[in-house]
Amino acid sequence: AQSVSQHNHHVILSEAASLELGCNYSYGGTVNLFWYVQYPGQHLQLLLKYFSGDPLVKGIKGFEAEFIKSKFSFNLRKPSVQWSDTAEYFCAVRKAAGNKLTFGGGTRVLVKP
Amino acid sequence: ETGVTQSPTHLIKTRGQQVTLRCSSQSGHNTVSWYQQALGQGPQFIFQYYREEENGRGNFPPRFSGLQFPNYSSELNVNALELDDSALYLCASSRKDRDTGELFFGEGSRLTVL
Repeated sequence: AQSVSQHNHHVILSEAASLELGCNYSYGGTVNLFWYVQYPGQHLQLLLKYFSGDPLVKGIKGFEAEFIKSKFSFNLRKPSVQWSDTAEYFCAVRKAAGNKLTFGGGTRVLVKP
Repeated sequence: ETGVTQSPTHLIKTRGQQVTLRCSSQSGHNTVSWYQQALGQGPQFIFQYYREEENGRGNFPPRFSGLQFPNYSSELNVNALELDDSALYLCASSRKDRDTGELFFGEGSRLTVL
């Protein structure tokens, strides 16, 4: 069975600080990887995804993530956060072209102005 | 806005009761997935519906059942409610024949079981 672990439950940063959120998954086959974000009072939305090719993927709002196959990791980064990045971030994985998305437990990020 | 709407937004039930949650998918989407999100946890896959049939199921007992209608809207039914069923139930729509991997989520139905 697939599983996803996110290393931090809560992160507090000041504006302009760099952000890195860890994500590790367990599944031996080919996977599709995702980061979803939930801003306060809003629905879950896709931040970025990796299917194949360049392991460094760029998403919306200046976020990027790096897929390291040997480490089963898909860490999310942003060089300089803004107050508006305050949200909960979820890493998710599915078997390639599968129908079930397995989510991690989420990381709540608070950016202080 | 994703175009995925769920109803009701909040409801309270007691143990043993039954509940029906509804979801309208985004225009052009033919696939609906349901997730349960307990407090402080990530969403967990309940099942997916495509062409009005269940197309994959997570680790949930049979008292969780669903339907998909010809207009691609969907219902989630939970029988014999238990306290642990208290959660946010999320519906997500997508298009199976053009799989981008992206799910479009509604804002959820928050169920409290007393």
